[in-house]
Amino acid sequence: QVQLQESGPGLVKPSETLSLTCTVSSGSITSYYWTWIRQPAGKGLEWIGRIYSSGSSNYNPSLKSRVTMSVDTSKNQFSLRVRSVTAADTAVYYCARGVSSLGYWGQGTLVTVSS
Amino acid sequence: QSALTQPASVSGSPGQSITISCTGTSSDVGNYKYVSWYQQHPGKAPKLMIYEVTNRPSGVSNRFSGSKSGNTASLTISGLQADDEADYYCSSYTSSDTVVFGGGTKLTVL
Repeated sequence: QVQLQESGPGLVKPSETLSLTCTVSSGSITSYYWTWIRQPAGKGLEWIGRIYSSGSSNYNPSLKSRVTMSVDTSKNQFSLRVRSVTAADTAVYYCARGVSSLGYWGQGTLVTVSS
Repeated sequence: QSALTQPASVSGSPGQSITISCTGTSSDVGNYKYVSWYQQHPGKAPKLMIYEVTNRPSGVSNRFSGSKSGNTASLTISGLQADDEADYYCSSYTSSDTVVFGGGTKLTVL
């Protein structure tokens, strides 16, 4: 059973960069698409973007100017960076496997943007 | 990209059936078979319940079914149970090669 685990700082200052890593275990990161989703408290899900194991990526147009995703196949990890964060970026961030059918999810990690 | 439109809430009694709608456009729901539904209990990660409009992943009860007509997809839950009480989200692949979610529907089992 594939397992995903998000990790990274839980607190980020405004205008700085949010960085998260998703570690994939009990399965290979190769030949799959990997997706990041976020959910502000009490609100709905927002698709941030996805990356293939080769490194090709696609992002939500509303976040595209601030988001970068990368993959490290040697560590079975993929990562998310969001630049110039504001309070509006405060959310639970999830990583998941797939393109549109996300069958495996991490447990989520709360990132708060505050000084 | 605009979020897909779902009712904010639906409710039903145990044993009854309910249907949650998910309305998009010809650029997403109407033009692709890649509509998924997720169940999310409080404090938990979403769980895939339906993929490609009508398909259930292994382990998901056959009380959950999906359909689509035009730009609107639907999730039907039959034989409502207390544990079905949760938030439900639809999603669709889009013509921009992105994915868009619905705003979510809170299901209350009376």
